[in-house]
Amino acid sequence: RKEVEQDPGPFNVPEGATVAFNCTYSNSASQSFFWYRQDCRKEPKLLMSVYSSGNEDGRFTAQLNRASQYISLLIRDSKLSDSATYLCVVNRISSGNTPLVFGKGTRLSVIA
Amino acid sequence: DTGVSQNPRHKITKRGQNVTFRCDPISEHNRLYWYRQTLGQGPEFLTYFQNEAQLEKSRLLSDRFSAERPKGSFSTLEIQRTEQGDSAMYLCASTPGQWGNEKLFFGSGTQLSVL
Repeated sequence: RKEVEQDPGPFNVPEGATVAFNCTYSNSASQSFFWYRQDCRKEPKLLMSVYSSGNEDGRFTAQLNRASQYISLLIRDSKLSDSATYLCVVNRISSGNTPLVFGKGTRLSVIA
Repeated sequence: DTGVSQNPRHKITKRGQNVTFRCDPISEHNRLYWYRQTLGQGPEFLTYFQNEAQLEKSRLLSDRFSAERPKGSFSTLEIQRTEQGDSAMYLCASTPGQWGNEKLFFGSGTQLSVL
């Protein structure tokens, strides 16, 4: 099983739609979770951290399910500017080290 | 500009040659990561440093790859005897903390093309 798995998409949705992405992780000891956004030919940038209680930032909601080892990102009222690749990031716990590991990303295209 | 700086931005080399990339992290950031990204894939973890100590190196990384971070400041990534499969974007990122739960600040990357 891969450390971090995401549905690669692409997700093609109309403006105003609600879209959800899921990500699963293999290391049950992982403690830190994030969603990053990457625009074409740009470096990744932090979208939001994911907390156990779930968190919301405007149109974006992130949730964590530790029992099932998955993280979700919900985008409401999609905008054209939301078109990007969304990367799930988890810190891998191994021998005291905690590197941050990325999933392959889920591509979103919001269509007018 | 006080962000993460990577040089060069682009590198074209012939198969078999050695290349070296440099990353200057944000000042006083303790952790420095190297990732590799190919088209349509997420960044693949290569290695990371806590100050000058290299804490982990990916099992996927062959012995042709070596990274250093002398004095815990800038870092270099060297690839010896390059192969066409090494062609990718090499990304460097830094974070201020020590626990793997902080925001990553990325540089713009070095695009390597091996002919």
